[in-house]
Amino acid sequence: DAGITQSPRHKVTETGTPVTLRCHQTENHRYMYWYRQDPGHGLRLIHYSYGVKDTDKGEVSDGYSVSRSKTEDFLLTLESATSSQTSVYFCAIRRGQREETQYFGPGTRLLVL
Amino acid sequence: KQEVTQIPAALSVPEGENLVLNCSFTDSAIYNLQWFRQDPGKGLTSLLLIQSSQREQTSGRLNASLDKSSGRSTLYIAASQPGDSATYLCAVATGGGNKLTFGTGTQLKVEL
Repeated sequence: DAGITQSPRHKVTETGTPVTLRCHQTENHRYMYWYRQDPGHGLRLIHYSYGVKDTDKGEVSDGYSVSRSKTEDFLLTLESATSSQTSVYFCAIRRGQREETQYFGPGTRLLVL
Repeated sequence: KQEVTQIPAALSVPEGENLVLNCSFTDSAIYNLQWFRQDPGKGLTSLLLIQSSQREQTSGRLNASLDKSSGRSTLYIAASQPGDSATYLCAVATGGGNKLTFGTGTQLKVEL
């Protein structure tokens, strides 16, 4: 258990509405990540953070924004949800002696109708 | 752009069999390679991490090898058990370890 929680765990929303997913960690790790997992595509990196207020884009960042105002929380926002953003979203942190291994949260299932 | 391929996509074996899962990647300039396990409807569990300078790592019945020059990694599972049934994912790290590129996984079923 890497001390990562995600909320909500399940969400159904309508196209065009804003959605915010939260990732919370209890171990003060510097690096945090957001991925999405879709059939046939595997997991793809959306955004990541390397410190408070320090973030960068991943492979599939269009339509997503992130914020990290505290070390323990990394928020993913869909400003105007679309059906193509229906997916399972995973948060991850890096830990280990050299901060090299990524550990994943339990995921959030998002359905955009 | 890094691409990661896992073959086979699905595998069914009888209990007790030794098996090998394959992972190939297109760009050998990697930071490290990580193997994960994912159970249905669950998150990912880290199994093994191999640094770019290493050739293999072992944990219990699992052994992972890395051949950077040929762009390949294998995950060897000894004496498979029904509890090993899951999807196994290979992920290659670049960008100082910040960018993981995943394969689409091998779905393993170990039958009694």
